[in-house]
Amino acid sequence: DAGVTQSPTHLIKTRGQQVTLRCSPKSGHDTVSWYQQALGQGPQFIFQYYEEEERQRGNFPDRFSGHQFPNYSSELNVNALLLGDSALYLCASSQDRGTTNEKLFFGSGTQLSVL
Amino acid sequence: GEDVEQSLFLSVREGDSSVINCTYTDSSSTYLYWYKQEPGAGLQLLTYIFSNMDMKQDQRLTVLLNKKDKHLSLRIADTQTGDSAIYFCAEISPYGGSQGNLIFGKGTKLSVKP
Repeated sequence: DAGVTQSPTHLIKTRGQQVTLRCSPKSGHDTVSWYQQALGQGPQFIFQYYEEEERQRGNFPDRFSGHQFPNYSSELNVNALLLGDSALYLCASSQDRGTTNEKLFFGSGTQLSVL
Repeated sequence: GEDVEQSLFLSVREGDSSVINCTYTDSSSTYLYWYKQEPGAGLQLLTYIFSNMDMKQDQRLTVLLNKKDKHLSLRIADTQTGDSAIYFCAEISPYGGSQGNLIFGKGTKLSVKP
């Protein structure tokens, strides 16, 4: 049973470009959350997708957008990249059971470097 | 504020106990979590505690919760070199309402010396 898989593992972009990161949730999971982890920091919540819609959003600008597909996989898009967007982007999946304690399973992340 | 506070570094000898401390922000937090991150890897959920509990033990891990002081700790008994990693404390965001929206501390880097 594959866990949460993310692609690519590493990515280098230049300022102003756009990037798309991909995530496949753990089998049986229907909810995907995205986090940004800057160097030396804890992960920060970007947004969460459930039933192909953005259900919650953290304090990130509109340059950050996402999508969830019918098979529950998800994409994170970042437009007009800034140097400060360089970080490890983590995807986490869970199964929505209507409680507040569904366990989050994290992927290994995509390391994005913006030059 | 929204900061979950943790000390940044902890060094112990193999076989000793490690205690990692955390101060969280929301007194109404229902669940509090400890995650482990090894180099080049994502986060692994180690354990969690429900807010109506004072203590939870899971093999070598013991979580203590002091709600009055909003203080959480993780004790690792008989620490091994394989326990070397960064440990994150996390709480459910008071603005989110679901476990998908967690607020993490900056992490405590645990170094275990042989």
